[in-house]
Amino acid sequence: GENVEQHPSTLSVQEGDSAVIKCTYSDSASNYFPWYKQELGKGPQLIIDIRSNVGEKKDQRIAVTLNKTAKHFSLHITETQPEDSAVYFCAAPSAGSSNTGKLIFGQGTTLQVKP
Amino acid sequence: DTEVTQTPKHLVMGMTNKKSLKCEQHMGHRAMYWYKQKAKKPPELMFVYSYEKLSINESVPSRFSPECPNSSLLNLHLHALQPEDSALYLCASSHGPLLFTDTQYFGPGTRLTVL
Repeated sequence: GENVEQHPSTLSVQEGDSAVIKCTYSDSASNYFPWYKQELGKGPQLIIDIRSNVGEKKDQRIAVTLNKTAKHFSLHITETQPEDSAVYFCAAPSAGSSNTGKLIFGQGTTLQVKP
Repeated sequence: DTEVTQTPKHLVMGMTNKKSLKCEQHMGHRAMYWYKQKAKKPPELMFVYSYEKLSINESVPSRFSPECPNSSLLNLHLHALQPEDSALYLCASSHGPLLFTDTQYFGPGTRLTVL
């Protein structure tokens, strides 16, 4: 079945620095890759997603890049702020899930932004 | 508005109790999901409803019983749970019909403790 690997598991940066989180997936047919941010005590919130007809998507300080050949996608956060501190999850569709909506999540990255 | 609401926020129950979790969305979404999330782990899919019909049951024990009374509501009925069922239970919805490119929006979750 589909497997999504996410690295690193923890990331600590100084405020203002950039943060990069990487995920790899196994199903070459996958073409939708969302990123979720989960703050303590809250549900995951979609922050950005990308579909495989584009290689990069930006939304203010957040960007996602996709390399379909290598089967990996990355989240880039620039000018990090303390409120960016949270757990970030990448996800990809489960293999053969074209009509089920099932997502497979990475194991998560705990991002700490130090003031 | 991309809001999914869940009640209660916290629930403590004994192993012989019967309780229910509720989820509501008013975005006109026709797909709804239940996830279970243990501490420091990604969400794990339990059930998916599409157009009020159960589409996916991820081999969840029968002590968890989902119900979708209408397109806006999703319930999870709990009976004879075990302490290891203690977790954050998340509800999500997406536009539907089920497509793996369909963005899922999560609620804040119900923190369940089974004594």
